[in-house]
Amino acid sequence: QQQVKQSPQSLIVQKGGISIINCAYENTAFDYFPWYQQFPGKGPALLIAIRPDVSEKKEGRFTISFNKSAKQFSLHIMDSQPGDSATYFCAASMGWQTDSWGKLQFGAGTQVVVTP
Amino acid sequence: DAGVTQSPTHLIKTRGQHVTLRCSPISGHKSVSWYQQVLGQGPQFIFQYYEKEERGRGNFPDRFSARQFPNYSSELNVNALLLGDSALYLCASSRQRDISGANVLTFGAGSRLTVL
Repeated sequence: QQQVKQSPQSLIVQKGGISIINCAYENTAFDYFPWYQQFPGKGPALLIAIRPDVSEKKEGRFTISFNKSAKQFSLHIMDSQPGDSATYFCAASMGWQTDSWGKLQFGAGTQVVVTP
Repeated sequence: DAGVTQSPTHLIKTRGQHVTLRCSPISGHKSVSWYQQVLGQGPQFIFQYYEKEERGRGNFPDRFSARQFPNYSSELNVNALLLGDSALYLCASSRQRDISGANVLTFGAGSRLTVL
């Protein structure tokens, strides 16, 4: 049973465009929502993260929007660059409230291709 | 500073064999988590260890076991390998909390296991 659902499965965007990836979750006990970026042959790397008491967080060209009532959150990549071509995973955990902070529930991933 | 190191990077086993994967966390990190990433999917949580104690276990059979050593390194053991165990096995380390309170997991590059 997938606790975090991610869409789309893949997307192609032109250089300079905006990439938008969406995730939805069921467990209202989740209190930490990170996004990870993974390049082929590498492990996932933390990109940006948000807690549910914040509706938006921006770091450089990357923005997380969080809608607690809808149980949805999204990643926006502004001014997409060819170097952003990677697989992006949303995730969720109950780390703040429990000792299981190392247990992340990942989405299925979105393969992003940025064309020159 | 060295990141999370995993060994071996690649290995091939046959059905029924046993495998041991190793992980060295970032210096100062006392928690290690293990994940299985099947090709084309998001990582799935297997175990979390903190201070040498198991703090969480995912939905994996008893063929999977792990332990953490006094130096906080960890081993993941899989017995009676099945074809379906072919995957990238990721290790992630973390502090209990960082200064901001986030649960930042830092992943290694993984061990690619192929079961024939």
